[in-house]
Amino acid sequence: AQTVTQSQPEMSVQEAETVTLSCTYDTSENNYYLFWYKQPPSRQMILVIRQEAYKQQNATENRFSVNFQKAAKSFSLKISDSQLGDTAMYFCAFILTGTASKLTFGTGTRLQVTL
Amino acid sequence: EAEVAQSPRYKITEKSQAVAFWCDPISGHATLYWYRQILGQGPELLVQFQDESVVDDSQLPKDRFSAERLKGVDSTLKIQPAELGDSAMYLCASSRTGSPNTGELFFGEGSRLTVL
Repeated sequence: AQTVTQSQPEMSVQEAETVTLSCTYDTSENNYYLFWYKQPPSRQMILVIRQEAYKQQNATENRFSVNFQKAAKSFSLKISDSQLGDTAMYFCAFILTGTASKLTFGTGTRLQVTL
Repeated sequence: EAEVAQSPRYKITEKSQAVAFWCDPISGHATLYWYRQILGQGPELLVQFQDESVVDDSQLPKDRFSAERLKGVDSTLKIQPAELGDSAMYLCASSRTGSPNTGELFFGEGSRLTVL
């Protein structure tokens, strides 16, 4: 079974600064996808960024980028130039390729962006 | 922008009562998911539909939970009887195609259940 671990329950960052959220996962498979989802307070969860395991290049979406270390099974999220609107729960998630697989989430990291 | 609709947003019930949640996915999304999110934890998949068929309900407590998607569009999740441990956020999500592997699930705002 696949597991996803987020070891930082809460983090805080000042506006305009950079913060990195950690995620590790465990699988014996070679083909999979990794994701970061954002859940703002009282709002729906949205996809932030996606990484295909077969791609060596780290994914980037505007101020969000990942550091994907396949051998170490590590998948961290870096948020640059943090904004107040980045305050949210962030979930790391994993899915194997194949139609029978399901998305597995970590326990989340609560990020607070302060002035 | 199309969204996943869920109702009710909040539900308070007493244990042993029945409760139902409704979800209307984004139009054209074939796959629909129900997740349960306990406070402080990540979402856990309860059931996944492909059109009107159940693809995965391995984590659904079938003695008290049921889910249906009769016409392959909207869906209902029912709990009967509710127990204290069922207090959680129930999230509905949908995805564009039969394969969920792009990982882009579109979530509703959730239905928060409190069982007293």
